[in-house]
Amino acid sequence: AAGVIQSPRHLIKEKRETATLKCYPIPRHDTVYWYQQGPGQDPQFLISFYEKMQSDKGSIPDRFSAQQFSDYHSELNMSSLELGDSALYFCASSFGLAGAETQYFGPGTRLLVL
Amino acid sequence: DAKTTQPPSMDCAEGRAANLPCNHSTISGNEYVYWYRQIHSQGPQYIIHGLKNNETNEMASLIITEDRKSSTLILPHATLRDTAVYYCIVRSRASKIIFGSGTRLSIRP
Repeated sequence: AAGVIQSPRHLIKEKRETATLKCYPIPRHDTVYWYQQGPGQDPQFLISFYEKMQSDKGSIPDRFSAQQFSDYHSELNMSSLELGDSALYFCASSFGLAGAETQYFGPGTRLLVL
Repeated sequence: DAKTTQPPSMDCAEGRAANLPCNHSTISGNEYVYWYRQIHSQGPQYIIHGLKNNETNEMASLIITEDRKSSTLILPHATLRDTAVYYCIVRSRASKIIFGSGTRLSIRP
């Protein structure tokens, strides 16, 4: 079965640079969630979108922005990168906002800021 | 969303059943119990979820107590590939996942 696709899988950036992470949800899924997992930490929710509108927001820095496009893929834009942004970034997708819809996670993007 | 409590680590012999407990005493009536696992920096993998009734799928069984204040995830025949951090999550409809610390399960050969 098709899974969530994230690109790139690995990314190395310098401090103060920008980065764009992409997420392609499972076909027919209309909701996307972004999570950040620092070294040795548990995943933390950043932001989510349903039908191209922001549906919830977590501890996402103001330097980060995200959006969901008409084909339901999502991009997380990160500017003025800091060393502390080095982390795994996971995207998850689900179908609909009704019921306990299950979130399925992608393989993640490993970002290293030097 | 309700908070969950899990033992930080457990181990189990290969081939035996692994029983992972979770307490969620403040769970609300509309909140589901979900289990995910994360194998060494891979994306969290969905295992199973339930509301009130016990559930079983090809990966595991979920036993929820009648008062819904605790649950147990059962991996019937643990293998080395089941070594992972297991997260018990309680969440309402359409909500983000709040990950706790999970249980680090080690499988002994």
